[in-house]
Amino acid sequence: EAQVTQNPRYLITVTGKKLTVTCSQNMNHEYMSWYRQDPGLGLRQIYYSMNVEVTDKGDVPEGYKVSRKEKRNFPLILESPSPNQTSLYFCASRRDGNYGYTFGSGTRLTVV
Amino acid sequence: GQQVMQIPQYQHVQEGEDFTTYCNSSTTLSNIQWYKQRPGGHPVFLIQLVKSGEVKKQKRLTFQFGEAKKNSSLHITATQTTDVGTYFCTPNFGNEKLTFGTGTRLTIIP
Repeated sequence: EAQVTQNPRYLITVTGKKLTVTCSQNMNHEYMSWYRQDPGLGLRQIYYSMNVEVTDKGDVPEGYKVSRKEKRNFPLILESPSPNQTSLYFCASRRDGNYGYTFGSGTRLTVV
Repeated sequence: GQQVMQIPQYQHVQEGEDFTTYCNSSTTLSNIQWYKQRPGGHPVFLIQLVKSGEVKKQKRLTFQFGEAKKNSSLHITATQTTDVGTYFCTPNFGNEKLTFGTGTRLTIIP
C-alpha cells in the first residue's frame, strides 16, 4: 500500500532531550515536507526537500533540523525541544510534477 | 509580501444546503491545491488547478480558478455529513513553500 509512515504517533518528552521523528514513504516521491499544526495557526511548513541531499527552510524552521540521505526517508530532528514545540506534526511527500501531497497520519508531540 | 486569505473561517450549514469557501491572493499564483482534513485526521489532497479560468468537478464538489489566477473557490452542492472537516487552499507561488493557512471549517447540522 502506498503510504507515508511516521513514527511515533504520540510522544511525551522533557525539555532539552533530543528526539527524532521518523518519516518514510514507499512511493519513490521526490518531494517531502514537514508541517506542524497548531490551533488557530493552521498548517505551517517547517522544512521541505526536493530530492536527496536537497533541503530548504519553510516558514517555521527554528528549532528543527532535517536530513535527506535517502529518497524514502526524511527525519525531523529536535536537538533541544522546548514546550513551544508541542504540536501535531505531519510529514508529507509528493512526486515531481503537478501532484498533491500524501500525508502521514501525524505525530502528536508534547514537550513538558 | 505573498499573502493568501481563505474565507470564511467557519461555516455551519444544514445538511442538504450548499457550501462555498474562497481563497484570495494578492499576487498571481502558479497553481493552487485543495485539501480536506477530517476531524482527527490528516489532510487529504483533493485537486490541483493550474490554468486560468479552470473549472473541475468531483461529484458534488466544484473547484474554480480565477481568470487572473489570484483566487479560487470550492463549492459543495447539497452537503452531506461526510463533508464535515476543514478545507484548505494551498497556493503555489512557484516554489515548494506550501503553506496551508487556517482553512475553512465546515460543520453540518443534520
